[in-house]
Amino acid sequence: GENVEQHPSTLSVQEGDSAVIKCTYSDSASNYFPWYKQELGKRPQLIIDIRSNVGEKKDQRIAVTLNKTAKHFSLHITETQPEDSAVYFCAASILTSLSKTSYDKVIFGPGTSLSVIP
Amino acid sequence: EAQVTQNPRYLITVTGKKLTVTCSQNMNHEYMSWYRQDPGLGLRQIYYSMNVEVTDKGDVPEGYKVSRKEKRNFPLILESPSPNQTSLYFCASSPSPPSYNEQFFGPGTRLTVL
Repeated sequence: GENVEQHPSTLSVQEGDSAVIKCTYSDSASNYFPWYKQELGKRPQLIIDIRSNVGEKKDQRIAVTLNKTAKHFSLHITETQPEDSAVYFCAASILTSLSKTSYDKVIFGPGTSLSVIP
Repeated sequence: EAQVTQNPRYLITVTGKKLTVTCSQNMNHEYMSWYRQDPGLGLRQIYYSMNVEVTDKGDVPEGYKVSRKEKRNFPLILESPSPNQTSLYFCASSPSPPSYNEQFFGPGTRLTVL
């Protein structure tokens, strides 16, 4: 079935350095790729997303790149700060049609625990 | 304040004792989902609902039931909980299917089944 792989599972960086998290997906029809941040004990929250008609998107210190041919996308955080420490989840949209029923959803990767060391 | 709420936030129960986790959203969203979060497995969808009275299975539906009688509420029912359902559960809502836009998550319910 469809799946999303995410690497690395854990990542430690020094404050001020950059962090990169990479994801691959299996469904070539996927066209929406959100990233969620989950701080310790909190709910996941969207931090950035990208659609398949765009190769890169930036929002201040975070950016996401998408390579549809290779079916992978990455999250880049520059000038990391201690408050960036969290678990990050990538996800990819899945649209499936079965007989008369179609449904769409996102499949999440297993998560990356990022630690920013002051 | 626009939000998704869940109750209870923490629950310890015993095998076989039926329980319900409530979920409510005040954003008039049509699409709602339940996820479970387990270490190393990310967020896996249990059930989803595209609108009132329209529900369907996600990736891990075994042992769970849901209902959607009103747009704002989407309770998760465990008829006979088992220890392998010990997990962190999140309800989420979105204005349209999550393959198009952001999902808003509830605060989570940590369930332990003894």
